[in-house]
Amino acid sequence: EDQVTQSPEALRLQEGESSSLNCSYTVSGLRGLFWYRQDPGKGPEFLFTLYSAGEEKEKERLKATLTKKESFLHITAPKPEDSATYLCAVQARKGAAGNKLTFGGGTRVLVKP
Amino acid sequence: NAGVTQTPKFRVLKTGQSMTLLCAQDMNHEYMYWYRQDPGMGLRLIHYSVGEGTTAKGEVPDGYNVSRLKKQNFLLGLESAAPSQTSVYFCATQGTEAFFGQGTRLTVV
Repeated sequence: EDQVTQSPEALRLQEGESSSLNCSYTVSGLRGLFWYRQDPGKGPEFLFTLYSAGEEKEKERLKATLTKKESFLHITAPKPEDSATYLCAVQARKGAAGNKLTFGGGTRVLVKP
Repeated sequence: NAGVTQTPKFRVLKTGQSMTLLCAQDMNHEYMYWYRQDPGMGLRLIHYSVGEGTTAKGEVPDGYNVSRLKKQNFLLGLESAAPSQTSVYFCATQGTEAFFGQGTRLTVV
């Protein structure tokens, strides 16, 4: 059974204080690892897809990295608008259960000015 | 989110009542999903569809039914609502990545 564990559950940062979120996973053959951002009262919004160990992707102050067992989402010099819940999800190899995503519980990030 | 529309956005049901949640997409995706999101539980897959006329059970299907009569629509039904079905429901479609609707907040009293 695919499993995703995110840590910490919550993170309070001062504006400009860089930090990292962790996503540990077990999956029967990784097709892709996804990061989403979710604002209160809204649906998850796609950020990144990572496909193989060693891959990195960046978007503004966010950088996602992937190893064979975990992924990190690094937030560099965060701003208050980066406050959100960040979700990690894995997708098993093509054809498994309709290419469904298995999600972790999320990390709630609060950035104070 | 543009492309995936859920209706209604909010609903309060009494125990035993029935309702249908509608998801409509204009992205021409084959794959569609219904998730529920509960505090401390993350997003859990209820049912999914890999194309028009097909449906399959996900992780937590009990108490729900679905239909995909048209490619662009995926319906989630609750035949006899229970308080345990109080949750936020999200529909998603998937091409290379998943796109989510804005959610339906359902309260069963």
